Amino acid sequence: DAEITQSPRHKITETGRQVTLACHQTWNHNNMFWYRQDLGHGLRLIHYSYGVQDTNKGEVSDGYSVSRSNTEDLPLTLESAASSQTSVYFCASSERGYNEQFFGPGTRLTVL
Amino acid sequence: EDQVTQSPEALRLQEGESSSLNCSYTVSGLRGLFWYRQDPGKGPEFLFTLYSAGEEKEKERLKATLTKKESFLHITAPKPEDSATYLCAVGGRTSGTYKYIFGTGTRLKVLA
Repeated sequence: DAEITQSPRHKITETGRQVTLACHQTWNHNNMFWYRQDLGHGLRLIHYSYGVQDTNKGEVSDGYSVSRSNTEDLPLTLESAASSQTSVYFCASSERGYNEQFFGPGTRLTVL
Repeated sequence: EDQVTQSPEALRLQEGESSSLNCSYTVSGLRGLFWYRQDPGKGPEFLFTLYSAGEEKEKERLKATLTKKESFLHITAPKPEDSATYLCAVGGRTSGTYKYIFGTGTRLKVLA
């Protein structure tokens, strides 16, 4: 069965360190997305990609970057982790931009 | 300003007690309204997509409806296994910018 996986599932890091969260999907979807979920804010879009070599900023992109070198993967990098980036991060994919999205299990990131 | 508001924030029902969840939105360039279910510690799971006012979708005990300004998720004779957080998301496009905005959700608890 097709799926979307994220790793690690839990990560603790220190302020100022670079962190990369992995996302891998086997749906063969062109569209991939990264969200963060915080109490009181719901899910907020960080970055999205319509296909290989395409990346776009979302609502809360400051301090984050992504790259898309193949269809299956969209890693999210925190260049210099800050305590405000403590959150649960979800990756998602969809067949088309305004279709339903399929979500991964999430990565809980704590920045100390 | 683009906004998606869900109400109530939390809802407790007795098993078999029907009710409705509300999602109101002000998002320009609407391309679709989406309902998801999220269980604790997991990623959102897609339920329904609605594209135009008057549209309705049904799945088991759930029925989603859409007007020009809001959507309702009706739950008929709920069971304890329907307990979850229900998320509404609206897809839109403004000046070429992709938007997929989530509400903060309704936490539903169904008591046996």
